[in-house]
Amino acid sequence: GENVEQHPSTLSVQEGDSAVIKCTYSDSASNYFPWYKQELGKRPQLIIDIRSNVGEKKDQRIAVTLNKTAKHFSLHITETQPEDSAVYFCAASIGSGGSNYKLTFGKGTLLTVNP
Amino acid sequence: DADVTQTPRNRITKTGKRIMLECSQTKGHDRMYWYRQDPGLGLRLIYYSFDVKDINKGEISDGYSVSRQAQAKFSLSLESAIPNQTALYFCATSGSWLAEPSEQFFGPGTRLTVL
Repeated sequence: GENVEQHPSTLSVQEGDSAVIKCTYSDSASNYFPWYKQELGKRPQLIIDIRSNVGEKKDQRIAVTLNKTAKHFSLHITETQPEDSAVYFCAASIGSGGSNYKLTFGKGTLLTVNP
Repeated sequence: DADVTQTPRNRITKTGKRIMLECSQTKGHDRMYWYRQDPGLGLRLIYYSFDVKDINKGEISDGYSVSRQAQAKFSLSLESAIPNQTALYFCATSGSWLAEPSEQFFGPGTRLTVL
């Protein structure tokens, strides 16, 4: 089955700095890569996703890049703010026109943005 | 607002007891999932269902069972609870109108403690 590795497990940055979280996946058939943010005591929520036919996607201060050859994808947060402090999970999914719409998650990265 | 709800939100039980966690959704989604979250281990898939007649095991299904009573309801049971099933449990749903993986919407979680 799919295996997703996520690094680092913890990341501390100063407000205004950039943060980068990296993930690798094992199954070359994976074609959907979402990122979820989980604030303390809350449910995970999707912040951005990318599909395998795209190399990069941006949404305001966040961006995701995908390297299919190397089987890795990364989350980039620029101009970090204290409200960006949370646990971030990457995930990968195989499935297109079929029924394998299940996600395999990384173990998470605790991001702390210091004022 | 269409949402995903879980009951109970917190539960303390004893070893050997049978426990049922319930999930309901008003999003009209076909796909439903049960995850377990443990510190440092991310979100691990227990069971998933793509319609009322479709039930699939995830990566950690041992000791758990599920029932899809209706499109909107998906229950998780622990037949004989053990202490290492102490965790935060999330239900999630996703739509099937796209013939590919899509965003999963999580419920608020159930914190289960097995003594």
